[in-house]
This record gives sequence, structure tokens and C-alpha cells, in this order.
Amino acid sequence: QQQVKQSPQSLIVQKGGISIINCAYENTAFDYFPWYQQFPGKGPALLIAIRPDVSEKKEGRFTISFNKSAKQFSLHIMDSQPGDSATYFCAALESGGYQKVTFGIGTKLQVIP
Amino acid sequence: GAVVSQHPSRVICKSGTSVKIECRSLDFQATTMFWYRQFPKQSLMLMATSNEGSKATYEQGVEKDKFLINHASLTLSTLTVTSAHPEDSSFYICSARDYTGTQETQYFGPGTRLLVL
Repeated sequence: QQQVKQSPQSLIVQKGGISIINCAYENTAFDYFPWYQQFPGKGPALLIAIRPDVSEKKEGRFTISFNKSAKQFSLHIMDSQPGDSATYFCAALESGGYQKVTFGIGTKLQVIP
Repeated sequence: GAVVSQHPSRVICKSGTSVKIECRSLDFQATTMFWYRQFPKQSLMLMATSNEGSKATYEQGVEKDKFLINHASLTLSTLTVTSAHPEDSSFYICSARDYTGTQETQYFGPGTRLLVL
């Protein structure tokens, strides 16, 4: 059972463009939604995260939009750069307790010059 | 951010041998650590939750006798792949939970690439 659905699985964006990755979840107990960036051969690195009490969070070129009623959230990368080329995972978890993270399937982003 | 290390970063072993992977939280204490497995071009799959001073909790389908987890201190968890076989070849990643009293964050290690010949 895929509790966090992520799309697209691959994305090609030109330098300077906007990269958009979408995720949807089913478990209403999830209350923390992080995004991770992973480069080949490396572990995931926390990029940005949001809680459902806000609809948007922005950090630099990265923005999370959150729609609680639709149980959807998305990552926007503004002014995409070749260095942003990586695999991005959305995730969801219930904070507190043992904090098991449920990952989306991942989106491989390629930013072309 | 907090740092989590893994050792070794890469290991090649013969079929039937055991391999130990260490996960350390370098600048914080982690009562809870997690072990994941990632196949090429796939997402991370949680294998088990490691709790300091108690037995690990394994996810459904993960053989606890094959993947031995020990969390002996607040900064170290180990995963031992016993009697490794080629199908155990994968990228193993640990994460550690950092709780500051007001915020919880999970930090991931750099991963360990295991190749079983």
C-alpha cells in the first residue's frame, strides 16, 4: 500500500524554470511533511518541511504548498539550476512516537542548461 | 544540521559471510535510529526501528534473524547482515532522530553500499 503517492517520477526542466513535484497522502494521522534531496550514492538530505497548520512555506528557491483538505502537497523549485539535479522524495510521518517516515517513490529531476 | 555517519561507506563480501554496518550520530544523542534499504532507482524502504537499550522493531517481511540490529548507546546503532547472499546487495541507509524538546528532526547517514558476490 503506497501511503504517499508522488509524481512525476522523472522531470526535465530548463535552467531558470520552475520544477514542480506533487505528492498526495492517505493517512490523516500524518502531521509532518518533509522533502528530501538525494544525490547519487549519498543519503537523503532534509530540504524543507511543513506542518499542516500552514498552507505554504518558503526557504530560498524552495517552496512547499500544502492543501490539507485535499491531502496534497507540492514542492516548487524556482529558478532551477543544474546543481538542483537530484532525486527528490516527499515524505510524511506522525511526529511524536517513533517517527516512522513514509517516503514517496521519488522524482528524478534533471535541470538542463 | 546534525551529522550522522555510517561506516563503511562501501563493502564487498563473499556469499555466506556476515557484514556489520555502523551508524553514528556525531553531535547529538539519538534514542531512536532507523535502518532503510534502497534498491537502484527506488525509494527508501524502512527495515527496522532501533531503540537504545531495547529490541529493534522490524517491519513486516524483514527477517530479524538475518538483519541483526543493536543500539547499545545513544550515539551508535549497528546493522549486521548475517550469512549475506547476492540478493542482499543494496544501499543501506540509517537515520537518527534528534529531539530538541521543541522540534523533532530526522537526519540521514550517507549510506553503505553492500555488494555480495
